[in-house]
Amino acid sequence: SGLTQPASVSGPPGQSITVSCTGTTSDVGDDDYVSWYQQHPGKAPKLLIYEVSNRPSGVSDRFSGSKSGNTASLTISGLQPEDEADYYCGSYASRNTLGVFGPGTKVTVL
Amino acid sequence: EVQLVESGGVVVQPGGSLRLSCAASGFTFGDYTMHWVRQTPGKGLEWVSLISWDGDTTYYADSVEGRFTISRDNSKNSLYLQLDNLRSEDTAFYYCAKDGAVAGIYWYFDLWGRGTLVTVSS
Repeated sequence: SGLTQPASVSGPPGQSITVSCTGTTSDVGDDDYVSWYQQHPGKAPKLLIYEVSNRPSGVSDRFSGSKSGNTASLTISGLQPEDEADYYCGSYASRNTLGVFGPGTKVTVL
Repeated sequence: EVQLVESGGVVVQPGGSLRLSCAASGFTFGDYTMHWVRQTPGKGLEWVSLISWDGDTTYYADSVEGRFTISRDNSKNSLYLQLDNLRSEDTAFYYCAKDGAVAGIYWYFDLWGRGTLVTVSS
């Protein structure tokens, strides 16, 4: 996919965790078209963060996004059991395939 | 209700063709760029194609360029994906997804359908 995410991240309830998404100067580092999605098993993805750090209405403020250089990050504060899901980053890419996703990170609440 | 509903997924032989449809409701369909995103069962997401709000601009992933064709009918609030010369690696859930902002391409997807399964197998 061109974007790199850790396969898994875990933490106990109440803790904060961070999921990273590393790309290149042709995607994550090129502009602010970075987004994050949550997907529970058997469900469609749900938008959590757009344009690096913006949260759609209705998404908990426990989810926040940031970016430094070619790496974007999703932080989940106050981890809750319902946060257990797969998380994907997405980005515009200034190359042949214009849209790219990371491989996904499985978040486990211990 | 704001929603997207995909249909048309079936089992098809390698080299075959099919057309997927996506019915939109609850928002002004003609104002938004629309995308197709696919997901191999148990695997990650792959962006497939987009079509601008007015239908004038289309883009495709390298993996489907020349085999898939995206189109839309704003009078019917519908999005389509024609899949030709199918390969086993095209087996996936296909989601239609709405771009996040009016009359632009902002590369985030704020509304997704539930997906339709395409299986390419002999």
